[in-house]
Amino acid sequence: DTAVSQTPKYLVTQMGNDKSIKCEQNLGHDTMYWYKQDSKKFLKIMFSYNNKELIINETVPNRFSPKSPDKAHLNLHINSLELGDSAVYFCASSRDRGSEAFFGQGTRLTVV
Amino acid sequence: GESVGLHLPTLSVQEGDNSIINCAYSNSASDYFIWYKQESGKGPQFIIDIRSNMDKRQGQRVTVLLNKTVKHLSLQIAATQPGDSAVYFCAETSGSRLTFGEGTQLTVNP
Repeated sequence: DTAVSQTPKYLVTQMGNDKSIKCEQNLGHDTMYWYKQDSKKFLKIMFSYNNKELIINETVPNRFSPKSPDKAHLNLHINSLELGDSAVYFCASSRDRGSEAFFGQGTRLTVV
Repeated sequence: GESVGLHLPTLSVQEGDNSIINCAYSNSASDYFIWYKQESGKGPQFIIDIRSNMDKRQGQRVTVLLNKTVKHLSLQIAATQPGDSAVYFCAETSGSRLTFGEGTQLTVNP
């Protein structure tokens, strides 16, 4: 079983569309994250949730909205997609805040 | 082979050589450090970690060294193999935040 799974793996969409990426972890972890990886491989944290509560919200456009229906899921919804949103988005989870994070396989988002 | 700080994002070594990947961190309050390996098309995977009360930790073929005085972390890979080719990241934790450094692309030549 995949520990942290995110769907879809690839997402190609037009500018202006709204899209969602789903993430689920079966590790029983309390903390989940969304990271954005740019073309230079730099990994930047976007959001972190602990037990369904938002604990980190970096300077991310309001068009990005995370939703955690329960502590095993953290979905990312993006409104009005822009070309600059093209990147690989990684979901991750950790046992608690600041512990080793386990990453999903990533979602490659391409906005055209 | 050895990478130099954060300004040399690539490191090329011969199979069988030892590799050293360096990382500088900025937050003196960071208390936990992790090295991750990211293969092409995959998410980062844990390699080895070290707490701030230690200066060295060894795993299988990998060693992490921590120098808190100069805020420097290094990953040593012994007898580098083609399967070690990947991007390597250091990450530091302070409180609830896991912050990644710039990655280093390691290429192992047969």
